[in-house]
Amino acid sequence: EADIYQTPRYLVIGTGKKITLECSQTMGHDKMYWYQQDPGMELHLIHYSYGVNSTEKGDLSSESTVSRIRTEHFPLTLESARPSHTSQYLCASSLGWSVSHEQYFGPGTRLTVT
Amino acid sequence: AQSVAQPEDQVNVAEGNPLTVKCTYSVSGNPYLFWYVQYPNRGLQFLLKYITGDNLVKGSYGFEAEFNKSQTSFHLKKPSALVSDSALYFCAVMKTSYDKVIFGPGTSLSVIP
Repeated sequence: EADIYQTPRYLVIGTGKKITLECSQTMGHDKMYWYQQDPGMELHLIHYSYGVNSTEKGDLSSESTVSRIRTEHFPLTLESARPSHTSQYLCASSLGWSVSHEQYFGPGTRLTVT
Repeated sequence: AQSVAQPEDQVNVAEGNPLTVKCTYSVSGNPYLFWYVQYPNRGLQFLLKYITGDNLVKGSYGFEAEFNKSQTSFHLKKPSALVSDSALYFCAVMKTSYDKVIFGPGTSLSVIP
């Protein structure tokens, strides 16, 4: 099992609330990613990071922000939750050098916005 | 534009039969190629990858994949399917180590007892 953790695992919250989804990894990976996935559907890249103080926008980034102050920590913040944000959020990390590159995924946070 | 296609939304195969899950990509150069699996109610797991070298790569749980540069394909295969292989399979491509990973839409595999 990969050492990548996400909290909370489940979250039900009302419209308009600000929320932060936590992601931490203990593998020393430089690259980290956030994906949104509806059940059984494709993954949508929200944000990614190549290292500390590096963040890049993905395909669905306009309503969220991330920070990478420490190598092991990559939190995702939704400033104002909406019902359309109801989904599963997956965090992943990978080693960007050598011949690794495969991503290790966390267990996910299942978010419901009422 | 770079893209990854998995032409079959659903693949059904009888237990014990060989299985193939198809993946084609549109990325220039010599990309890195990956397969991931997502079992029901579980996170994604890495299965195998092609970086360079032998076109046939072996991975976890008896899976293998064949890289074909001329056809820009990276099909996932297994000689004998198990019911426990039923899951959602994602192909992924990375152009270089400095690029983001592009995932395909996924293929749902059902192995019928």
